Amino acid sequence: DTEVTQTPKHLVMGMTNKKSLKCEQHMGHRAMYWYKQKAKKPPELMFVYSYEKLSINESVPSRFSPECPNSSLLNLHLHALQPEDSALYLCASSPLAGTGELFFGEGSRLTVL
Amino acid sequence: EDQVTQSPEALRLQEGESSSLNCSYTVSGLRGLFWYRQDPGKGPEFLFTLYSAGEEKEKERLKATLTKKESFLHITAPKPEDSATYLCAVQVTDSWGKLQFGAGTQVVVTP
Repeated sequence: DTEVTQTPKHLVMGMTNKKSLKCEQHMGHRAMYWYKQKAKKPPELMFVYSYEKLSINESVPSRFSPECPNSSLLNLHLHALQPEDSALYLCASSPLAGTGELFFGEGSRLTVL
Repeated sequence: EDQVTQSPEALRLQEGESSSLNCSYTVSGLRGLFWYRQDPGKGPEFLFTLYSAGEEKEKERLKATLTKKESFLHITAPKPEDSATYLCAVQVTDSWGKLQFGAGTQVVVTP
């Protein structure tokens, strides 16, 4: 089963809301990633977890808070977002960190009103 | 500064009309070059990894090649289901494995 599952597929939230995006993989991968993708643009790296520890934070604003409860799960907690944060949020995994062969989920389409 | 440039931005092909996409890169040291395919509203799907100049990889109607300055993705006799955005990404030797993506080439194949 080579699959990364993201929920929800679509999310609409106000600027004062708190919500979370969830990602799950059962491939035994030890690295997990959050990417942000705006329309007609390439994915931009946000965070990397390696062995459940945060390894890379690409200077992401604190209104985005990642969490890796275990090796199969990755969450992205959202709070006080801005309309410009509306985007497709992609989760990915790889057997180990440092490889360029990533398995992506289908993404969560976020709209901030 | 490391750069990845893909051309053309968009490509419209008739079914069966072969063509090539280009990915040129300027990096301090190449660790690997990766091709992904992305369908609208979906996450990218990994296609190929290339590590050294002269290397080639094939999968169905797709063939990826690498030189010291660029990579090509050749699409032979494309079908409508090959319509997608094709993304090139490079991994630089001192970047802890971070991928730098190009802007992509949007390919539309018409019957």
